[in-house]
Amino acid sequence: DAGVIQSPRHEVTEMGQEVTLRCKPISGHDYLFWYRQTMMRGLELLIYFNNNVPIDDSGMPEDRFSAKMPNASFSTLKIQPSEPRDSAVYFCASRPAAGVETQYFGPGTRLLVL
Amino acid sequence: SQKIEQNSEALNIQEGKTATLTCNYTNYSPAYLQWYRQDPGRGPVFLLLIRENEKEKRKERLKVTFDTTLKQSLFHTTASQPADSATYLCALDPGRRALTFGSGTRLQVQP
Repeated sequence: DAGVIQSPRHEVTEMGQEVTLRCKPISGHDYLFWYRQTMMRGLELLIYFNNNVPIDDSGMPEDRFSAKMPNASFSTLKIQPSEPRDSAVYFCASRPAAGVETQYFGPGTRLLVL
Repeated sequence: SQKIEQNSEALNIQEGKTATLTCNYTNYSPAYLQWYRQDPGRGPVFLLLIRENEKEKRKERLKVTFDTTLKQSLFHTTASQPADSATYLCALDPGRRALTFGSGTRLQVQP
């Protein structure tokens, strides 16, 4: 398996623009997680899905952030409009339903909002 | 509120020595605790999981302990090598079926 795939790996955009981050989880994994990592706040959970349904979005910072999972093999995290404080590394992770809650992380998307 | 605390200062040790990293948590009683490794520019990678009824867990040169009374886990790398240099994060489930991570401790092993 190729592991969790994220795209793009790097994104530079200007304040006010829409940003879309993409994630393909490991095949057969029922859970998908979106995290944001910054030096100041560490690794924060934004939202997670179980069987394509959002379960907990309490970490989504504000209405500018939205996430979707239209099918078991694809998820997006969208920021509209983007702001400089959204600059961070965004990780997607997945795990199977069975067993313990070990998560498999993607390589991350490094976002810079100017 | 629930907190997971790791030493934010980097730990520098000499090759061959044992490194000990600390993870403290408050206001929660997790059934298990996990440790991940993160290299620069990469996502975290799972290393070890220890359950509340386990005192110690080993994997090769890694050892993790879990003291539910002290609300603390210790992570040890024995006979440390420069390749062990990375940031190590602890994580637990605060009851919402998703992990909460500590901020991580960077380990630097000098040759």
